[in-house]
Amino acid sequence: QQQVKQSPQSLIVQKGGIPIINCAYENTAFDYFPWYQQFPGKGPALLIAIRPDVSEKKEGRFTISFNKSAKQFSLHIMDSQPGDSATYFCAASDVRDDKIIFGKGTRLHILP
Amino acid sequence: KAGVTQTPRYLIKTRGQQVTLSCSPISGHRSVSWYQQTPGQGLQFLFEYFSETQRNKGNFPGRFSGRQFSNSRSEMNVSTLELGDSALYLCASQTGGGADEQFFGPGTRLTVL
Repeated sequence: QQQVKQSPQSLIVQKGGIPIINCAYENTAFDYFPWYQQFPGKGPALLIAIRPDVSEKKEGRFTISFNKSAKQFSLHIMDSQPGDSATYFCAASDVRDDKIIFGKGTRLHILP
Repeated sequence: KAGVTQTPRYLIKTRGQQVTLSCSPISGHRSVSWYQQTPGQGLQFLFEYFSETQRNKGNFPGRFSGRQFSNSRSEMNVSTLELGDSALYLCASQTGGGADEQFFGPGTRLTVL
């Protein structure tokens, strides 16, 4: 019940395309859903986050869509660029125990 | 403001040895979490310390332990190393915990031979 399932494991998209990464969870007590971006040789960095009281959040070219009833959320990257090539992790947190549970990651490659 | 620093960046050990990794959080941050990152399992939570107390613990054997000092710096120790402990160990600091943004360090790459 504490898992966050992320798909796909890897994704290759042409420049300008819209990669979509999906995550699903079971624990209805999760109330904070961040996405992290990790470049090779670096630690993950927070990209964008959402709470379950909204269905969508945009920050620049990055959008999170959230479906509370389906217990799913996804990351869309508009007008993707080669510099977006990285590993992306979704995560979920239950404010009651302060733990953040990460998905297993998606390796995204944007072709020039 | 300096970011999260981890030392050493790379470490090679042999089976049976023990290792200590160090993490200095961002100034003012009181929470430090440790994660193990491997290609197959992704980011797995080890433990979290807040004001020198372990506040949360993941599902790792007792060979993995940690502590936090009064200046919020944290160390994690792995005893009796196994080949499967080879991983990138990441430290993250937060102001408090939970929904606060976690700031990750660059990690320590541990290789067990």
